[in-house]
Amino acid sequence: QVQLQESGPGLLKPSETLSLNCTVSGGSTSSSQSYWGWIRQPPGKGLEWIATISHGGATYNNPSLRGRVTISSDTSRSQFSLKLSSVTAADTAVYYCAAQPQYFHFTYWGQGSLVTVSS
Amino acid sequence: QSALTQPPSASGSPGQSVTISCTGASSDIGYWKYVSWYQQHPGEAPKLLIYEVSKRPSGVPDRFSGSKSGNTASLTVSGLQAEDEADYYCNSYAGNNNLVFGGGTKLTVL
Repeated sequence: QVQLQESGPGLLKPSETLSLNCTVSGGSTSSSQSYWGWIRQPPGKGLEWIATISHGGATYNNPSLRGRVTISSDTSRSQFSLKLSSVTAADTAVYYCAAQPQYFHFTYWGQGSLVTVSS
Repeated sequence: QSALTQPPSASGSPGQSVTISCTGASSDIGYWKYVSWYQQHPGEAPKLLIYEVSKRPSGVPDRFSGSKSGNTASLTVSGLQAEDEADYYCNSYAGNNNLVFGGGTKLTVL
């Protein structure tokens, strides 16, 4: 069973860059049959897909985030990461990392990490 | 891309069946077989219930079933139980590597 755990700062100021890591256990980010993604959920609101990275390093981003997103992976550490630049209060959310054995759905989820953007 | 449309709420009594709809477009639900459904209890991470329209992951009770007709996907919960009270989200592949969620439906067990 794949397990995922998010980590990173919980409080940011507007215009800063959000950086989160996801550590994977029970699986490998280099597995040839996997994708790894980030999803967020503003308080009291619905889910939004942010980005996905393949085992080979190909990246796929939600176009609505207009180029602010960078997703990367470090297979030696079984980690993948999210960077979101120029954050505003609208980026306040619980950020989840997830495993996508097939690209089209999110099979395993981390517990989530609350990131608050406030001056 | 626009979010998929779900009713904000649904309800049913224990033992009854409830169906939650998820309406998209011919470019997402209407074209692709990649519709998934997630259950989320308060304070918890979402859990995959259904993938590829109607397939259930191991461990998901067969009380949960999925279907699709045209641009609308549906999740049916049969034999409602108290623990089914949760938020439910649909998701669809929308082409060009895009994945889009519905706004969520709060299911209340009366």
